[in-house]
Amino acid sequence: SQQGEEDPQALSIQEGENATMNCSYKTSINNLQWYRQNSGRGLVHLILIRSNEREKHSGRLRVTLDTSKKSSSLLITASRAADTASYFCATGEFNKFYFGSGTKLNVKP
Amino acid sequence: NAGVTQTPKFQVLKTGQSMTLQCAQDMNHNSMYWYRQDPGMGLRLIYYSASEGTTDKGEVPNGYNVSRLNKREFSLRLESAAPSQTSVYFCASTRGGMRQETQYFGPGTRLLVL
Repeated sequence: SQQGEEDPQALSIQEGENATMNCSYKTSINNLQWYRQNSGRGLVHLILIRSNEREKHSGRLRVTLDTSKKSSSLLITASRAADTASYFCATGEFNKFYFGSGTKLNVKP
Repeated sequence: NAGVTQTPKFQVLKTGQSMTLQCAQDMNHNSMYWYRQDPGMGLRLIYYSASEGTTDKGEVPNGYNVSRLNKREFSLRLESAAPSQTSVYFCASTRGGMRQETQYFGPGTRLLVL
């Protein structure tokens, strides 16, 4: 499978703490994307990092990409209860995308 | 600008019945996708359409057919529904091309096959 795989499968933290989740993939990529899914809803795009980038920031999100290790990490700083959701990484090949099974983040108020 | 819309939101079918899931986007995107998501799982690609007039199989195409009706609309058909097709179905679109840009998702169709 070419899917990205997230780790850990589940993460529970207190509000205000940082949350880190990781993604590993198998093939070469043009970019890697992170998505959030609130319970019962569709996926929402968070951030895209291209293969020639090593780090990218967007608000409280920080994404890193290590193409030599075929891995990426998503850091959410100063988490809020509203960040409770499942987070997926997606890798692309031509016009197809592959999603991992996600990290379920629970932020306790 | 509604983005990606899907109909219906929820459907119950009996084994052997057929139905068509509808998807439309108003972003002038070239590529459109159908995924299924089973409980506690990620998304698996069923079919995609890189551009108007083309369709290709994804990871799990068996039991499904698709039609790219025009640039806006991409439908998914279950000819003879099976309980294993109980899932949440998501449609998505991108501008398309080799750079695999951001995907925009619809709200999903929840399908229960009895």
